[in-house]
Amino acid sequence: GENVEQHPSTLSVQEGDSAVIKCTYSDSASNYFPWYKQELGKGPQLIIDIRSNVGEKKDQRIAVTLNKTAKHFSLHITETQPEDSAVYFCAASIEQAGTALIFGKGTTLSVSS
Amino acid sequence: SAVISQKPSRDICQRGTSLTIQCQVDSQVTMMFWYRQQPGQSLTLIATANQGSEATYESGFVIDKFPISRPNLTFSTLTVSNMSPEDSSIYLCSVESGDRGQWEAFFGQGTRLTVV
Repeated sequence: GENVEQHPSTLSVQEGDSAVIKCTYSDSASNYFPWYKQELGKGPQLIIDIRSNVGEKKDQRIAVTLNKTAKHFSLHITETQPEDSAVYFCAASIEQAGTALIFGKGTTLSVSS
Repeated sequence: SAVISQKPSRDICQRGTSLTIQCQVDSQVTMMFWYRQQPGQSLTLIATANQGSEATYESGFVIDKFPISRPNLTFSTLTVSNMSPEDSSIYLCSVESGDRGQWEAFFGQGTRLTVV
């Protein structure tokens, strides 16, 4: 079955710096790769996603890249702000056609001002 | 994006009892999912619930422990049965929403369950 590895588990950056979180997946049939931000006491918030027919997607300060051959994808946050501090989860679809997901273990991002 | 409401938002329950969690969506959706997030951990898929059919459970989860109902395209319930302290977790409802071929997965705020 699908397995998703996420690194690093914790990441501390200064305000204004960039942050990069990396994930690898095992099942080449996976075709949907979302990223979620989870703040304390809240549910996961979808921040960006990418499908296997796209190599890169950007939304303002957030970008995601996908390398299908190497089976890894990354989240890039530029010009980080204190409000970016949260736990970030990557995920990969379990099946080719659905959005049932396997999650990485999460990255706790801390942005200090 | 879909707006998902879960009830209750939190509860403290006695061991041996059962709790039913409700998930209401503001639009009709085909696919609904239930996840568990144990304290300080990641999310684990419990089951997929499609309207008009039995829920499909992931390895390690069984219907007797986590019965699911899906009576229509906007509503589902998850029951946590015969609870023990190990069931203390956040239970999350997720739906697949969007345009055909561009489905996205959205989550509710979760139900924080503590079993004492």
